[in-house]
Amino acid sequence: ETGVTQTPRHLVMGMTNKKSLKCEQHLGHNAMYWYKQSAKKPLELMFVYNFKEQTENNSVPSRFSPECPNSSHLFLHLHTLQPEDSALYLCASSQVDQGFNTGELFFGEGSRLTVL
Amino acid sequence: GQNIDQPTEMTATEGAIVQINCTYQTSGFNGLFWYQQHAGEAPTFLSYNVLDGLEEKGRFSSFLSRSKGYSYLLLKELQMKDSASYLCAVTDSNYQLIWGAGTKLIIKP
Repeated sequence: ETGVTQTPRHLVMGMTNKKSLKCEQHLGHNAMYWYKQSAKKPLELMFVYNFKEQTENNSVPSRFSPECPNSSHLFLHLHTLQPEDSALYLCASSQVDQGFNTGELFFGEGSRLTVL
Repeated sequence: GQNIDQPTEMTATEGAIVQINCTYQTSGFNGLFWYQQHAGEAPTFLSYNVLDGLEEKGRFSSFLSRSKGYSYLLLKELQMKDSASYLCAVTDSNYQLIWGAGTKLIIKP
């Protein structure tokens, strides 16, 4: 496996379900990100982890809960979601030097989430 | 507020040249990225500009004018596989990436 892999690629869930999205990066990077991508809107940064520590939470509702057990793995736990949460959820990684991200992001192919 | 503007959709003909513009208003500037995203796939890095001028990479070139808050991505000798969305993103003074909504490029034979 190379690059950034995400599972599942597609997920349909009801509003009362609990599910998790998984991301794994094989690039040796020290930062990982969750983005939300909705049609015709800019990418929305949700969470950032540098060296396994969460450094950003951009006012994301608590029904989204991230977990970063190590620098290669990132999870997004989903609970009691709303239909408006239906979107493509992208994971990305990068190499951060002295706290500053000056390099490119490497994205996974995303998990397409549909909330019924 | 911080803002990135780019056209929503553009159409061009195979073999032709197309220019996708991006204007930005951000708190500070530490570089501008262009990414390509095919439908159902991951965004992939195309180019990075931090100084004014033109960066050429094969059929693709990216231009930056910091004083005008303006960039463009130039695609030459268009191929059908260039049909994709093109995302402009700027790194602000806090090294946060600010994203545009993307330009969907449709290539016609």
